[in-house]
Amino acid sequence: QVQLVESGGGVVQPGSSLRLSCATSGFNFRIYGLHWVRQAPGKGLEWVAVISYDGSNKYYADSVKGRCTISRDNSKNTLYLEMNSLRSEDTAVYFCAKENIAVMVAGTPDYWGQGALVTVSS
Amino acid sequence: DIQMTQSPSSLSASVGDRVTITCRASQSISTSLNWYQQKPGQVPKLLIYGASALHIGVPSRFSGSGSGTDFTLTISSLQPEDFATYYCQQSYSAPTWTFGQGTKVEIK
Repeated sequence: QVQLVESGGGVVQPGSSLRLSCATSGFNFRIYGLHWVRQAPGKGLEWVAVISYDGSNKYYADSVKGRCTISRDNSKNTLYLEMNSLRSEDTAVYFCAKENIAVMVAGTPDYWGQGALVTVSS
Repeated sequence: DIQMTQSPSSLSASVGDRVTITCRASQSISTSLNWYQQKPGQVPKLLIYGASALHIGVPSRFSGSGSGTDFTLTISSLQPEDFATYYCQQSYSAPTWTFGQGTKVEIK
């Protein structure tokens, strides 16, 4: 079955950096785009970033543009999110999710990981 | 950015009730509309994509309809496991996508 497992979350100070990882299994990783979506405590869902199946296209929400970098390693079936200059408003659970349709970046995450909590606090 | 507005923000219903949740887009999004279910402490699950297509494994009591700016998610007969928060999400404005604020379905 499709599985996505995030890691790398934690408590960090404002201005610091963090890298999240998302290890996957159960699907053909190389042909699917992948998303990061976050959820602040008690709040709704916010799309963060997406990377195409081959890594050639990357897109970001305005709220993280210039501070986050999404990447993938198709040899390890793993997705990453590098976050810099972290702010208190970045505090959230970060979910990785696979795209519903192969090859395309269609904006429809179907299977999601359990999430990694990132807390930005001094 | 395209804004997505759900109504109501919360509702109380009984098991067996027919429940309808509405999602309105700030501009036309054709049928590029997805619905997700999230139970407390759990991961969002895709229910419906393309406004009306049921995702794999989703019970047939869930249905979606609409196009343009107005969409609905209907649960034909509410079951105990359906108490959750439901989110709509537009997949029209690639490559940035937005969610509605959520509708919490509670037990009456």
